Amino acid sequence: AQKVTQAQTEISVVEKEDVTLDCVYETRDTTYYLFWYKQPPSGELVFLIRRNSFDEQNEISGRYSWNFQKSTSSFNFTITASQVVDSAVYFCALSERDDKIIFGKGTRLHILP
Amino acid sequence: DAGITQSPRHKVTETGTPVTLRCHQTENHRYMYWYRQDPGHGLRLIHYSYGVKDTDKGEVSDGYSVSRSKTEDFLLTLESATSSQTSVYFCAISGSPGSYTFGSGTRLTVV
Repeated sequence: AQKVTQAQTEISVVEKEDVTLDCVYETRDTTYYLFWYKQPPSGELVFLIRRNSFDEQNEISGRYSWNFQKSTSSFNFTITASQVVDSAVYFCALSERDDKIIFGKGTRLHILP
Repeated sequence: DAGITQSPRHKVTETGTPVTLRCHQTENHRYMYWYRQDPGHGLRLIHYSYGVKDTDKGEVSDGYSVSRSKTEDFLLTLESATSSQTSVYFCAISGSPGSYTFGSGTRLTVV
């Protein structure tokens, strides 16, 4: 069965520090997708990235970077030089070929000024 | 988000009353989903649909039913609302593997 684990329930860092959010997943499929979503205090879900299981290249988008390692079933998310606007709940998610997307329980990130 | 609308956005209802939440899409996507979000649990799948009149249960389906009589609408019904169903409900649509669009959410309070 598919499963996503975000072991960090809550993280607080001071502005400008780097922070990494961990995500570990379980799946029996060889074809799957991994996602990160951001949920700011306003409540909407903001899509950040999607990765398919055949693409292990790390990705960088501005201050955001993602490290996908199939060997450890991890898809970690790093924010470099964090800002107060990064404060939010971040969800890691997984979908398999049956097309249902399942979520981890989320990590609440506090960026302190 | 564009192409998907949830209604109502907020609702307060009394225990024991029936409640229906609506998810409407204009994308003609085949797949539709209902999730609930609760503190400490993330988003959990309630029901999903692979097409008109084709639905299935998710992880937390007890107390909920769904219907999809048209491609564009996916209705979630709480037959007799309970306080444990106080939550934020999200609808999602998918037209291709790995591609999802989420609605803005419905905040439901059962008093």
